[in-house]
Amino acid sequence: DTGVSQDPRHKITKRGQNVTFRCDPISEHNRLYWYRQTLGQGPEFLTYFQNEAQLEKSRLLSDRFSAERPKGSFSTLEIQRTEQGDSAMYLCASSLWGDNEQFFGPGTRLTVL
Amino acid sequence: AQSVAQPEDQVNVAEGNPLTVKCTYSVSGNPYLFWYVQYPNRGLQFLLKYITGDNLVKGSYGFEAEFNKSQTSFHLKKPSALVSDSALYFCAVRDMSNTGKLIFGQGTTLQVKP
Repeated sequence: DTGVSQDPRHKITKRGQNVTFRCDPISEHNRLYWYRQTLGQGPEFLTYFQNEAQLEKSRLLSDRFSAERPKGSFSTLEIQRTEQGDSAMYLCASSLWGDNEQFFGPGTRLTVL
Repeated sequence: AQSVAQPEDQVNVAEGNPLTVKCTYSVSGNPYLFWYVQYPNRGLQFLLKYITGDNLVKGSYGFEAEFNKSQTSFHLKKPSALVSDSALYFCAVRDMSNTGKLIFGQGTTLQVKP
């Protein structure tokens, strides 16, 4: 399968714990995006990487959130001191340089108890 | 600021009938518009896009969408609905910044009944 993959698919954690999610984009894609989707809503942009550079972060991304994309390949999204309001589906997407469609992974569903 | 509106939370159609899922947008400049479909517990699948050119865009699984600049709309259509088309549909507009991030509507649930 040459699509976008995300790991884990589901994560249940207790409030205050740290969690880390991984995204593996389509290999030749330069652009990588993280979105968050809550129940009954469309995805909301969190952050964007062009190769290894993080070029934009949404105001939704509080200082408890950090994302990396070392070497411009896979990306990780870490949430520190999780809160119940962080419960959501976290989606990763990638696209080609100059292309417009974004291809989405299956998402990581986070539940914070 | 760019925005997208999907005025219907749910659309119900009978199998074999035509379907329309509505989307309106607000952007400064020429819009880049997209439709995605989401099945339960899955990511989003790309259906089609409008960048420029013919106002009628054809996409995957027999779907098409009509771009109407004067009405600022980009409605998704299919001539004959299938039960398997039942899913959550999202309209999106590309942000005009260099990031290319997508701004999504709130989604419309399509229910196709046999």
